[in-house]
Amino acid sequence: SYELTQPLSVSVALGQTARITCGGNNIGSKNVHWYQQKPGQAPVLVIYRDSNRPSGIPERFSGSNSGNTATLTISRAQAGDEADYYCQVWDSSWVFGGGTKLTVL
Amino acid sequence: EVQLVESGGGLVQPGGSLRLSCAASGFTFSSYWMHWVRQAPGKGLVWVSRINSDGSSTSYADSVKGRFTISRDNAKNTLYLQMNSLRAEDTAVYYCAREGVLMLGGMDVWGQGTTVTVSS
Repeated sequence: SYELTQPLSVSVALGQTARITCGGNNIGSKNVHWYQQKPGQAPVLVIYRDSNRPSGIPERFSGSNSGNTATLTISRAQAGDEADYYCQVWDSSWVFGGGTKLTVL
Repeated sequence: EVQLVESGGGLVQPGGSLRLSCAASGFTFSSYWMHWVRQAPGKGLVWVSRINSDGSSTSYADSVKGRFTISRDNAKNTLYLQMNSLRAEDTAVYYCAREGVLMLGGMDVWGQGTTVTVSS
């Protein structure tokens, strides 16, 4: 079965740029989706199909996907961006990465 | 307002059964594929099951295949998950989620979740 690998944690200084990676075999050939989940809340889709933002998601959130790594980039990080972030793809079934905890310092 | 509201969670003994419901509103429910995704305490998201828009096709994670059944009633705008032979490892928050049109697998609307605890 297909596996997605994410770092357990990423830290970023307030106002700086955070990058969260999602590794998978030839993930560049797949459509990657990203979710934000704050404590006690349901996940929220922040990026779909590699680099598209749903309505209501700030432009500070962007995505890219190439080779064996997809990346979620959060520019001008804010305290409110602290959350767990999950990548997800479809590969014969729906697969989630293990999640990355983003800390804004 | 587009909304999904789960219900039916609770405490059940190992080997028992439970049926979860997910009431949809604010969109044409019958046009969308729907999913169940679960999250064990302190753990990540895990896909459980999916059903297509008219209910004619379903798929399951290996961990629940043969024990869980997904279904829908488009007349009632409701998604279901029948869970049988429950195990301790099924303990989790269960979310229903809508697969977005043209999103190729992305889930754009999620419910608030319902908690299932399997324990004696």
